[in-house]
Parts: sequence; C-alpha cells; structure tokens
Amino acid sequence: QSALTQPPSASGSLGQSVTISCTGTSSDVGTYNYVSWYQQHPGRAPKLLIYEVSKRPSGVPDRFSGSKSGNTASLTVSGLQADDETDYYCTSYVGNNRVVFGGGTKLTVL
Amino acid sequence: QVELVESGGTLVKPGGSLRLSCAASGFVFSDVYMSWIRQAPGKGLEWVSFISSGGDASNYADSVKGRFSISRDNAKKSLFLQMNSLRAEDTAIYYCARDRGAVVGDYFDYWGQGTLVTVSS
Repeated sequence: QSALTQPPSASGSLGQSVTISCTGTSSDVGTYNYVSWYQQHPGRAPKLLIYEVSKRPSGVPDRFSGSKSGNTASLTVSGLQADDETDYYCTSYVGNNRVVFGGGTKLTVL
Repeated sequence: QVELVESGGTLVKPGGSLRLSCAASGFVFSDVYMSWIRQAPGKGLEWVSFISSGGDASNYADSVKGRFSISRDNAKKSLFLQMNSLRAEDTAIYYCARDRGAVVGDYFDYWGQGTLVTVSS
C-alpha cells in the first residue's frame, strides 16, 4: 500500500488561511470516510486534529477544518498563528484492517 | 487521564530481536484497539500494526509482516511489539497509540512519547 501524497511544504501569512492536500486513490481516500489529520511539533508525539474527514475532537480549535473531494482530502488552517508552524500528516483506512499515512507537510507561517 | 508509556527501545544489531512494551493507564484498556506507529529519524509516520481489544485480531504493514508480532495483556494493561530479524531500516521512534472509531486507524486519539529503536552494527 503506497503512502498518501502530501505536498512536502506549504506556507501562509499570519492570520491568513492555508490548505494542505492529501491525495490517495479510489481504494482508500476515495472509498472511505476515515481520513484523519495529525499535527506534530518537533520532538513531540503527534496530536489528533481531525477525524472521519471533518470531525474535530474536543479541544481542537475550529480554525482547523477538514474536507474531501474524490480521492483528495484537505486540511484547512484558518487564522494562521505562529504555533501552527510545524508538520502535518493525513491518514486513511485502506481496507483489510490496514492504515496508511501521508508523507507529511511542513507548514511555514510567514 | 489517559497515559501511554513505551519502553524497551535500545541499540540492537542487524538480525537481532527486541521487545517493546507500552503501559496504559487512565482508561479501560481491554475495551480498545491499539496500534504501533513508527517514525524514522527525520522522516514521516508509518503505521506498523494493530491489535483488537481482545487480542484475537491483528494486522501488519507489509514492511514488517512476518518479522514483527503484536500482542497485549489486558490484565496488566500492556501492549507489546516483538521485533525479530531487525534491519537498519527499522530504526525509528516507535509510538503506541490508542486506536478508536469504527475501523482500524479511524483515528489515534492518544499517543505515547515514543521509544527509540536503533538497528546498527
């Protein structure tokens, strides 16, 4: 199972919005609404931001939102803050009790 | 509060074996699926394996299938990963994570701090 495709980097200005894509295939992202997003600061464990495409766990600001169209899922970060500058990963269920991660995107806040 | 604490990571020679542990607290361990996820130095995350709440179902990434074995002891609230025939490419931080939702890997809502496995001669 190949990793989901994310852009290696993304950037946006303080206060603005940025969207990070996560492209899979019709066998994973395109079929299942089990896409989640994680934020990982250097030296720290990942933190769940979004699950099941667009649901937010309690405690995650509504500046973070998720969506999906066809084989591509997206994470949008609105009202960019300095602390948002870090790495983001998507995942998707791929059937047969297996999961695949995206390669990760490094977000820079300008 | 939910806490996951991994241990067992160390330096091991290629071809060697290692057993990782993850101690859980703050939730009913026997009710939830668990997964291992790893991250090679400077690289992205890779799902490794999952185990069902009762331990009767599991699966593995192709990269570790046949070499790694996941297990759990619900009485001791512990998760394990037996790693055999280790290769240099297995070098990574290994995280245990609580695996929730409708399917395996639906979402990982709690993660441990990770334990570093280094495979080198």
